[in-house]
Amino acid sequence: SAVISQKPSRDICQRGTSLTIQCQVDSQVTMMFWYRQQPGQSLTLIATANQGSEATYESGFVIDKFPISRPNLTFSTLTVSNMSPEDSSIYLCSAGASGGYNEQFFGPGTRLTVL
Amino acid sequence: DAKTTQPNSMESNEEEPVHLPCNHSTISGTDYIHWYRQLPSQGPEYVIHGLTSNVNNRMASLAIAEDRKSSTLILHRATLRDAAVYYCILRDNWGGGGSNYKLTFGKGTLLTVNP
Repeated sequence: SAVISQKPSRDICQRGTSLTIQCQVDSQVTMMFWYRQQPGQSLTLIATANQGSEATYESGFVIDKFPISRPNLTFSTLTVSNMSPEDSSIYLCSAGASGGYNEQFFGPGTRLTVL
Repeated sequence: DAKTTQPNSMESNEEEPVHLPCNHSTISGTDYIHWYRQLPSQGPEYVIHGLTSNVNNRMASLAIAEDRKSSTLILHRATLRDAAVYYCILRDNWGGGGSNYKLTFGKGTLLTVNP
């Protein structure tokens, strides 16, 4: 199994600023992902964080707005840039080994409020 | 992406079995059926997964229809701690050789457990 921690756990930010969320996994993993969960909604995949290369973004999400880094097999960051109130959401980091038969682990989430 | 259909909500009494249905009529031959659940204010957690045969683990059982177009998650004795949103997900594979994947979440079933 893998234990995932995220920093910060929550933050309140002003419109127009940026926030970087850190995700740390306690073991090396092949795959890392970032999700967004808006209040009362399901999870939406933002991107797959690839180690050593650019992230792969889902439709509706772009690198300029959500730049992602993954410098090694245990760590990734997601930046929410030029924030607006519509970015208020819970952002979750997830990780797992490759292969459709493997379970995926999730962090506790970062609750972001943009004023 | 292969999609799943689940009831929006279900209700159960404590200590009774719960059968959570999922329809996935467009499932492909290589899609794994995964179940995750999300307890209030937490990230999702893995419950169980299967391909063709029924599966059992310490948390639940997964019954898969012979044609694989539907499945049922079975909680043998519901407890109050099982109250959560349960997600039935078909595991997408992309990239060569199925070495990469992503989880696409639907709306899930909100399970309420009555004492």
